[in-house]
Amino acid sequence: DVKVTQSSRYLVKRTGEKVFLECVQDMDHENMFWYRQDPGLGLRLIYFSYDVKMKEKGDIPEGYSVSREKKERFSLILESASTNQTSMYLCASSSDDYSNQPQHFGDGTRLSIL
Amino acid sequence: KNEVEQSPQNLTAQEGEFITINCSYSVGISALHWLQQHPGGGIVSLFMLSSGKKKHGRLIATINIQEKHSSLHITASHPRDSAVYICAVSGGYQKVTFGIGTKLQVIP
Repeated sequence: DVKVTQSSRYLVKRTGEKVFLECVQDMDHENMFWYRQDPGLGLRLIYFSYDVKMKEKGDIPEGYSVSREKKERFSLILESASTNQTSMYLCASSSDDYSNQPQHFGDGTRLSIL
Repeated sequence: KNEVEQSPQNLTAQEGEFITINCSYSVGISALHWLQQHPGGGIVSLFMLSSGKKKHGRLIATINIQEKHSSLHITASHPRDSAVYICAVSGGYQKVTFGIGTKLQVIP
């Protein structure tokens, strides 16, 4: 079974802090994704990566950056956290072209910015 | 108008009832996905389909490409089916659009 592991289930940080969310997958998947999920809005794509050191902006990249130095690890960085970044963050991975393969999700990180 | 719309947004059922959740989409797609999210957050892929019908245990998913509509059915519902069910469509390389989900509660 594919395992996607997010480093924290719950995280509380202060406004202005630099925040790192880590995600690791164990199935050698090429593609990795970061989403945020807010009530009434569904999942929205922040960034995705299709290979090591490669990244593409999603629908809502502002205020975020990502890093993929190794194939199994994809990090989401909040450069200077703000209260409007309080949300549930979900990492996912998939092999090859997503259109033909399902994404596998982690358990999510519920992030609160105070 | 959202590209993916689900109905109903909330659903309460008695244990044993037959449940239907609907998904309509307005874009061309290569595949449609049904996902399940339990309280606590983790999301599991239930089905991926591009035509016809798929069945897994008590769950059945259908899609009508011409009408741009899919349904997820749960037969003999059980309290452990309580979750949020999310419809998602993929319409090109790495382009996935998610519905906002249907929150299902099955009461014993």
